[in-house]
Amino acid sequence: QSVLTQPPSASGSPGQSVTISCTGTSSDIGSYNYVSWYQQHPGKAPKLMIFDVTQRPSGVPDRFSGSKSGNTASLTVSGLQADDEADYYCSSYAGSNNVVFGGGTKLTVL
Amino acid sequence: QITLRESGPTLVKPTQTLTLTCSFSGFSLTTPGVGVAWIRQPPGKTLEWLALIYWDDDKRYSVSLKSRLTITKDTSKNHVVLTMTNMEPADTGTYYCAQRPFYCTSTSCFDFWGQGTLVTVSS
Repeated sequence: QSVLTQPPSASGSPGQSVTISCTGTSSDIGSYNYVSWYQQHPGKAPKLMIFDVTQRPSGVPDRFSGSKSGNTASLTVSGLQADDEADYYCSSYAGSNNVVFGGGTKLTVL
Repeated sequence: QITLRESGPTLVKPTQTLTLTCSFSGFSLTTPGVGVAWIRQPPGKTLEWLALIYWDDDKRYSVSLKSRLTITKDTSKNHVVLTMTNMEPADTGTYYCAQRPFYCTSTSCFDFWGQGTLVTVSS
C-alpha cells in the first residue's frame, strides 16, 4: 500500500484535459511544497514532468501543470496527445529524510 | 549530455549482499546542490526511494530500509555505489539511479534517470 493515494486509472480523448490527483497527509504533501510528478512509458525509466508542485523542467511542454491544495496535489494534462498515454506517479518529501511515492495512475488516451 | 547507467548482478541469492554501481557523465557530483539517488520498482508496482547522496557527501536513507543500505560516491570515477544487505525475494525489481539536479529544492526531485537494472532475488 503506497503512502500517497492516486486513482488507478484516468482517461480522456485527444485534445481534452485530464487531472490526476495525489492525496497524502499533513506529514507529507500538506507540510511541504516538494511534490514531483513522473511519467513512465512501458519498459522505460520515469521522466520528471513537474517538481516543487508547479515547476516544469526544461523541455516539458506547458500542457503539463501542477497544483496543490491542502494534502492533495494534482497534475493536469491539457490538449491530450497519444504520446501522453503512460503511467504517472506523484512523489513528495515526507520529512525525516524520507521520500514517498504514489501508487501510480494509468492514463489512457481514448 | 547527462547520462547515468546502472550495473551489477542480475541474480542474487537470499541473504546475500547486493552491490550496484551508477556510472554517470555530463555532470559533476562536486557541484553544489547536485545529488544521486537510488530508486527501485518491483515488477508491475510503484516506485520506492532508497537513498540519496549529495555533492557534500550528505547521505539520506529510506527510513524503512536504512539498516540495510549504504550509499557512497567516488567523484574521481563519477560513480555512486549502493549496497543492500540481507537480500530477500521481495527486493526483486528494477533498480534505477537518478540525478537530483541543483535547481531542485527538494529531495524528491530526480531529473535524469538511468535505464535501470533488473535484479532478481532467488535461490
